[in-house]
Amino acid sequence: DQQVKQNSPSLSVQEGRISILNCDYTNSMFDYFLWYKKYPAEGPTFLISISSIKDKNEDGRFTVFLNKSAKHLSLHIVPSQPGDSAVYFCAASIGSNDYKLSFGAGTTVTVRA
Amino acid sequence: DVKVTQSSRYLVKRTGEKVFLECVQDMDHENMFWYRQDPGLGLRLIYFSYDVKMKEKGDIPEGYSVSREKKERFSLILESASTNQTSMYLCASSPSGNTIYFGEGSWLTVV
Repeated sequence: DQQVKQNSPSLSVQEGRISILNCDYTNSMFDYFLWYKKYPAEGPTFLISISSIKDKNEDGRFTVFLNKSAKHLSLHIVPSQPGDSAVYFCAASIGSNDYKLSFGAGTTVTVRA
Repeated sequence: DVKVTQSSRYLVKRTGEKVFLECVQDMDHENMFWYRQDPGLGLRLIYFSYDVKMKEKGDIPEGYSVSREKKERFSLILESASTNQTSMYLCASSPSGNTIYFGEGSWLTVV
């Protein structure tokens, strides 16, 4: 039973526009969340994270929002660029030192020129 | 830069064969992991190791075993490969916590 769900398998967005990726979780013990980005034929790379003590974390064009009451987080990419075309995985853990991450199924983002 | 190297990128094996997937990391990390990635299922943890000769089962250990004889090397073993083990396998390492570094992946096809 997946505890982290990304219900949109794909997203297509025009270059320069905002990409919004959503992620829901069911385990209320999760308190640390991460986003990973994966290009084809490469391993995932860490993108951004957020602790449950915050509701927003920003890093350049990437912002993650956390709504604990709704058990929902989202990743915003503004503006979207062609190099952002990749698969994005949401992951969650219990504490920032827990190396057992639960991953979502991923969302494939395609940025159109 | 952290380097996690999976020596075999693409393999085709027959049902019933024994398969070894090798992974080496060069950053002296304590923790190493094996995941598999399948469409619609994301990344699922097969096994992880927190020290030499130490291992713990992940979420889907059935049909797999692992070996960690040296700190830098973590092997995934399919004792008798089956078609439902056709997948992309990702090795990863971590110094601590959930800062995880992934290798490039090994595509295994079992026919």
